[in-house]
Amino acid sequence: EAAVTQSPRNKVTVTGGNVTLSCRQTNSHNYMYWYRQDTGHGLRLIHYSYGAGNLQIGDVPDGYKATRTTQEDFFLLLELASPSQTSLYFCASSPTSNQDTQYFGPGTRLLVL
Amino acid sequence: GDSVTQKQGQVTLSEDDFLFINCTYSTTTYPTLFWYVQYPGQGPQLLLKVTTANNKGISRGFEATYDKGTTSFHLQKASVQESDSAVYFCALVMSNYNVLYFGSGTKLTVEP
Repeated sequence: EAAVTQSPRNKVTVTGGNVTLSCRQTNSHNYMYWYRQDTGHGLRLIHYSYGAGNLQIGDVPDGYKATRTTQEDFFLLLELASPSQTSLYFCASSPTSNQDTQYFGPGTRLLVL
Repeated sequence: GDSVTQKQGQVTLSEDDFLFINCTYSTTTYPTLFWYVQYPGQGPQLLLKVTTANNKGISRGFEATYDKGTTSFHLQKASVQESDSAVYFCALVMSNYNVLYFGSGTKLTVEP
């Protein structure tokens, strides 16, 4: 079973704060994704990557940066956090681009005061 | 653009009831369709995958069917159990990067 871990699991920050969410997968998957989950919206894609150094923009990228430093590690950066970014964030990975299963981490709950 | 609509926000059933959740989609071609399930405190996990080749998938007592004519796909189970209580998401993938488009989710509560 593919393993995806996220840290921290919970985070509280203030408006204007700087937050980094971390994701690691240890299954040599090429593709990694960041989603946010909000009631009534399901999961919405923020950024994704198909390899170290690569970054692609998702559907809701405003206010977020991301960086894929290695095949295993994908980071989501909120440099000036706003209350609208209070959400549950999930990272996922998949081995290929061919309509493959995505494996999700346990999520990070972020509260921006 | 591509989209997925899942109108049933909440469904409450009793054990052994029949479950039916429907999704509709809008794309220009025939996508691969997925059902993901999310248990409390966890990330979503794959329940079923349905391709244009097979039109149907079965897993853990759940069945997913794809109707290209009405651009809809649904999830059903003949007899739900309390342990099936979870949020169910339909999703489709269209792009070359395996990007998933999710519906808004259906929260299923099964009462004993």
